[in-house]
Amino acid sequence: QTVVTQEPSFSVSPGGTVTLTCGLTSGSVSTIHNPSWYQQTPGQAPRTLIYSTDTRSSGVPGRFSGAILGNKAALTITGAQAHDESDYYCVLYMGYGMVFGGGTKLTVL
Amino acid sequence: EVYLVESGGALVQPGGSLTLSCAASGFNFINSWMTWVRQAPGKGLEWVANIKHDGTEKYYVDSVKGRFTISRDNAKSSLYLQMNNLRVDDTAVYYCATFLFSNGWYWDSWGQGTLVTVSS
Repeated sequence: QTVVTQEPSFSVSPGGTVTLTCGLTSGSVSTIHNPSWYQQTPGQAPRTLIYSTDTRSSGVPGRFSGAILGNKAALTITGAQAHDESDYYCVLYMGYGMVFGGGTKLTVL
Repeated sequence: EVYLVESGGALVQPGGSLTLSCAASGFNFINSWMTWVRQAPGKGLEWVANIKHDGTEKYYVDSVKGRFTISRDNAKSSLYLQMNNLRVDDTAVYYCATFLFSNGWYWDSWGQGTLVTVSS
């Protein structure tokens, strides 16, 4: 079964830009997979950031953006802030259902 | 503003049963698909089940099929998850969420979660 892959961890400097990716162990990610992205701070509920590849959820600042880059979905954070330090999960529609990636732990330091 | 408040989480023995509830407000619950997503301690998120707005369609992850039942009471704006024959690996925080469609499905609003611990 195809697995949704994400970088286990990533770090970014305050004010910097970081791109997290979401791929497949077999095949390429496209808009057909309807990528969505969720942010979760430890102990808190998830928060929806991006859906339909590149649409920001209500209230999400413009420094969060989604896209397809190459054969993966991507979440870019521009001007990272300390409170962006969280776990980030992508979700892909795989035909048989919605599948979460394993998540990326983002450190801002 | 959308509010989703889960309740019913508890410590239960393996093989036991539990029913989770999610009280919804601030949106048109009657016309909304709803979902349960869970997160085991220290692990990632996992989709568990979806239910159509009128309850006529239900979908489950393979690991809970035949053991869990998702249901809803639109008159009470409430979502439920009946969990039977619980296993240790069902231990998780269970979140309810709205499930919306815009060029594709995605989860929109989330509750704060309720903890289910399965242990002897």
